[in-house]
Amino acid sequence: NAGVTQTPKFRVLKTGQSMTLLCAQDMNHEYMYWYRQDPGMGLRLIHYSVGEGTTAKGEVPDGYNVSRLKKQNFLLGLESAAPSQTSVYFCASRSTSGNTIYFGEGSWLTVV
Amino acid sequence: DAKTTQPNSMESNEEEPVHLPCNHSTISGTDYIHWYRQLPSQGPEYVIHGLTSNVNNRMASLAIAEDRKSSTLILHRATLRDAAVYYCILSSRGSSNTGKLIFGQGTTLQVKP
Repeated sequence: NAGVTQTPKFRVLKTGQSMTLLCAQDMNHEYMYWYRQDPGMGLRLIHYSVGEGTTAKGEVPDGYNVSRLKKQNFLLGLESAAPSQTSVYFCASRSTSGNTIYFGEGSWLTVV
Repeated sequence: DAKTTQPNSMESNEEEPVHLPCNHSTISGTDYIHWYRQLPSQGPEYVIHGLTSNVNNRMASLAIAEDRKSSTLILHRATLRDAAVYYCILSSRGSSNTGKLIFGQGTTLQVKP
């Protein structure tokens, strides 16, 4: 999955701190996604973007903000982290035709 | 929105074939069918994808029903390393389904030695 890079891979935050996760792709994909995955669960969509400058809410958007100022980057922000946001975060991008999907390797976030 | 349905779990014996089903009865004509698998503490890994015709690669085969309302991922000889959660995902062309990826709930495959 060299096409999608997530940073950082691991982070520990204190409750109330803020941070930003970066997802970068080099495949000129229009569509990008942020998911969270809790233990034993599937991936749940937080926010997504269908192009530069556009974002939309997924199924679990509360407590998160996103920005897509550049086509290749999709940023996920936590303004005031809560223990309930302890999770593994995955980014994905896909081609406009829908025939190619790439996932990042994940970012492990712990909020204490 | 389109929806995909998968069994929660399946078991297989090592070196036997495994058929993992996915139902996507509301699929549209432009939706690609993707299969990914996920090992513990790892990101989803690409297995195979297709649109209308059956597909084969070194990892697996994908059999797509003629009406495209279901598909089956076939692992020809399961190994212990194939034990994972397998996701069936629909990906639409353009902004159909609002551009979202449609995930099945995933099938946990156990492979017994």
